[in-house]
Amino acid sequence: DIVMTQSPDSLAVSLGERATINCKSSQSVLYSSNNKNFLSWFQQKPGQPPKLLIYWASTRESGVPDRFTGSGSGTDFTLTISSLQAEDVAVYYCQQYYSGPLTFGGGTKVEIK
Amino acid sequence: QLQLQESGPGLVKPSETLSLTCTVSGGSISSNTYYWGWIRQPPGKGLEWIGSLSYTGSTYYNPSLKSRVTISVDTSMNQFSLKLNSVTAADTAVYYCARVLITGTGRGYFDYWGQGTLVTVSS
Repeated sequence: DIVMTQSPDSLAVSLGERATINCKSSQSVLYSSNNKNFLSWFQQKPGQPPKLLIYWASTRESGVPDRFTGSGSGTDFTLTISSLQAEDVAVYYCQQYYSGPLTFGGGTKVEIK
Repeated sequence: QLQLQESGPGLVKPSETLSLTCTVSGGSISSNTYYWGWIRQPPGKGLEWIGSLSYTGSTYYNPSLKSRVTISVDTSMNQFSLKLNSVTAADTAVYYCARVLITGTGRGYFDYWGQGTLVTVSS
């Protein structure tokens, strides 16, 4: 199984400041045939299902604000919120779809400082 | 707009079978572009993939649950279902159904999720 490890577990950021979440996979999720990283990012607010933010590690889903940016390749990935807004308070998960079983990171809780 | 809705009992007794159905509306379940999956989340914890299937009935299960899980599809009803047998308190969770957008590699990512349904295992 590919183990997804997120850091930190939680972080508190001031409104308008940058939030950075890290995700590391235990093996590469880069598929050589198409040079794509099989990694997505989700946002989950209390009482709601996860919402897709990013797929292919860096492609923003339609309708997702451009303050959300995904980056990285191979085994190391980052989700950056460039200017934190109040509505961004949530838990964020990375997930690999490179190989079965599909696995998620443990989540990072983002709060307002 | 695509919608997925989970339904089923909210309370299941230990050792019995958990059964849930996901009804898809606003789109057809019968497409080679999508798979359909189940994910669960114990209260206050992270996400665990249970399994996925295609509309033709090809299934893929998490090995950690494979011996207890069956996922099936009913294209006439535009639904797919989850059965998890021999449940224990550890199976208490919010159960989500979701759509998987399949890429040319045969793998894909979850793009639409249902609202989830809490299933509690207790006598």
